[in-house]
Amino acid sequence: KAGVTQTPRYLIKTRGQQVTLSCSPISGHRSVSWYQQTPGQGLQFLFEYFSETQRNKGNFPGRFSGRQFSNSRSEMNVSTLELGDSALYLCASNREGDTGELFFGEGSRLTVL
Amino acid sequence: DQQVKQNSPSLSVQEGRISILNCDYTNSMFDYFLWYKKYPAEGPTFLISISSIKDKNEDGRFTVFLNKSAKHLSLHIVPSQPGDSAVYFCAASLYSGGGADGLTFGKGTHLIIQP
Repeated sequence: KAGVTQTPRYLIKTRGQQVTLSCSPISGHRSVSWYQQTPGQGLQFLFEYFSETQRNKGNFPGRFSGRQFSNSRSEMNVSTLELGDSALYLCASNREGDTGELFFGEGSRLTVL
Repeated sequence: DQQVKQNSPSLSVQEGRISILNCDYTNSMFDYFLWYKKYPAEGPTFLISISSIKDKNEDGRFTVFLNKSAKHLSLHIVPSQPGDSAVYFCAASLYSGGGADGLTFGKGTHLIIQP
C-alpha cells in the first residue's frame, strides 16, 4: 500500500513569507503527526491530529499551525518565516492503538533565505 | 532541556561485529521506547520497541535492552551488516495507550559499518 506522501519535497522561501506543507497519510491511518528535524535539535514534535482535532502540541510558537481534513490528509503552515525555520519537516501517520510506531514520509525540505 | 540523550553522535563498527547504540533519558514518566533508523533523503523507519514492563525485546539481529533504574536503553545489532549504516534515533513516549502522543527523540547516532 502507498506510504505517507508529503508535498512539496523541496522549497525555498524568504524571511517573512508563509508556507504550507501537505501530508497524505497511509490509507486507514487517522493520526497524523508533524516533526521538525534540524542538525542542532534533532527531531522535535510539532503537533498531532486525530479526526480533524489537534490532540497534542509540542513547544513551538504560534507561527506554526496545522489542520486535518475529513479524509485524514493534513497540512501545516508556518507564517512569518524566520531563518531558523529552515529544516526538514516530517509527517508521520499511524493507526489508533499502534503504540508510537509511526510511519514517516520523506519530508519537505524548507530553506528560508 | 533534552529528555532523551544519545551521547555518541557517531559510531564505527566492523562488519560482522556487534554494534551497541546507547540512549539515556531523564523523564521517569516515559514508559515506552522505540528505535528508528534513517537513511539519507528518507524518513525514519521504525525498527524495534520496548515497553517499560520489559527489560529486553528481540527481533532478529536487533535487541533492545532497558534498564529503568539507570534510565538507560541500548540497541544491539548482531552481526552488523553494511546495510545497517544509517542514523539511529532513540525515542520515548509518555504512555503506551496508543496513538502518537508526541514522541521525544534523541539527536541520533550515525552508525558506520566498516567492511
